[in-house]
Amino acid sequence: EDKVVQSPLSLVVHEGDTVTLNCSYEVTNFRSLLWYKQEKKAPTFLFMLTSSGIEKKSGRLSSILDKKELSSILNITATQTGDSAIYLCAVERGAQKLVFGQGTRLTINP
Amino acid sequence: DVKVTQSSRYLVKRTGEKVFLECVQDMDHENMFWYRQDPGLGLRLIYFSYDVKMKEKGDIPEGYSVSREKKERFSLILESASTNQTSMYLCASSLPGTGIHEQYFGPGTRLTVT
Repeated sequence: EDKVVQSPLSLVVHEGDTVTLNCSYEVTNFRSLLWYKQEKKAPTFLFMLTSSGIEKKSGRLSSILDKKELSSILNITATQTGDSAIYLCAVERGAQKLVFGQGTRLTINP
Repeated sequence: DVKVTQSSRYLVKRTGEKVFLECVQDMDHENMFWYRQDPGLGLRLIYFSYDVKMKEKGDIPEGYSVSREKKERFSLILESASTNQTSMYLCASSLPGTGIHEQYFGPGTRLTVT
């Protein structure tokens, strides 16, 4: 059975801290790994990773895929209160069928 | 800018009622998806569609059906709602083809079945 596991499930930090969110997977026919940010409404796309070891960056956020370890991390540096959200990891297992992890609820306190 | 809209943000229905959840996208995407999101379980795929009148079961199709009569519209139907279908329902759409494309999500419908 295809499975995606995120850790931690919940994280509370202070503004300015750096956080690392983890995603591990066991999926047949892996095609890509995606990260989404979900605030109160629709999940919004952050990154898509297909190749191992290549870091993707967008401002203070970065992510990398390790196909050998079947995992990915999402880093957020110099966190701000606007980074508070649920971060979702999903793996595409062929034909755009995504399997999602449980999500990490990140809370940034001022 | 892709826009995916869902007919209701909040819905309350009684056990046994037939429920329709509507999703419309305005970017001419071939692919459309229905998920439900529950605490501790993440998003789970219910049904998806690659084209008009075409549908495939996802991971948890039991108790649900779908309809795709027009390219821009994908409906999720609960034939006889039950309390265990209380959840947040999210619709998504994406471009077709063998390439890998991100999915664009709607704002969700929070359904409560009493």
